[in-house]
Amino acid sequence: DAKTTQPNSMESNEEEPVHLPCNHSTISGTDYIHWYRQLPSQGPEYVIHGLTSNVNNRMASLAIAEDRKSSTLILHRATLRDAAVYYCILRGSGGSNYKLTFGKGTLLTVNP
Amino acid sequence: DAGVTQSPTHLIKTRGQHVTLRCSPISGHKSVSWYQQVLGQGPQFIFQYYEKEERGRGNFPDRFSARQFPNYSSELNVNALLLGDSALYLCASSFAAEEYTGELFFGEGSRLTVL
Repeated sequence: DAKTTQPNSMESNEEEPVHLPCNHSTISGTDYIHWYRQLPSQGPEYVIHGLTSNVNNRMASLAIAEDRKSSTLILHRATLRDAAVYYCILRGSGGSNYKLTFGKGTLLTVNP
Repeated sequence: DAGVTQSPTHLIKTRGQHVTLRCSPISGHKSVSWYQQVLGQGPQFIFQYYEKEERGRGNFPDRFSARQFPNYSSELNVNALLLGDSALYLCASSFAAEEYTGELFFGEGSRLTVL
């Protein structure tokens, strides 16, 4: 499985933008970039995913580098509820796409 | 609409016992996956079932087994429990399995403690 690299932790202030980086230098052409987050004592929650183009939804934006070797999850205005572990995951479209391979993720702390 | 539901939410077992965990997917979802999350780590894939057939298996011993029922609900069974099996067991459902690259919907998990 292609690997991702994320910082162990990041800190932000409430109502400020947050940029969560992810490196995936061995990404293949058919790998989708997924982001999930896990709030304390809950299961993971889907945030966003994309293939090549930048993506926006109600929760966040995903900026994908032109060479696709890195991506950034953008939370436009952090709230206390956004404090969670954020996972960047590559998901192929081939035979092994049935599973998500989670790393340790980035623990985001949001200060009031 | 109800999300993915798992039961029980918490349970305590002793070494050598077996445990059965249950999962009900979102209505209309035919694919169910199981993940194990030990403290401080990300979830690790155990099984995926689609249309009652096993479609994928992670690197877990044969003590772990699962099945999916005609109504698409699923059970995860773990035999001969070890202390290291203490973890949060997560179930996830999705609409499709093969060639599906969209989101998975996770339940809140069953927290198993083995003493």
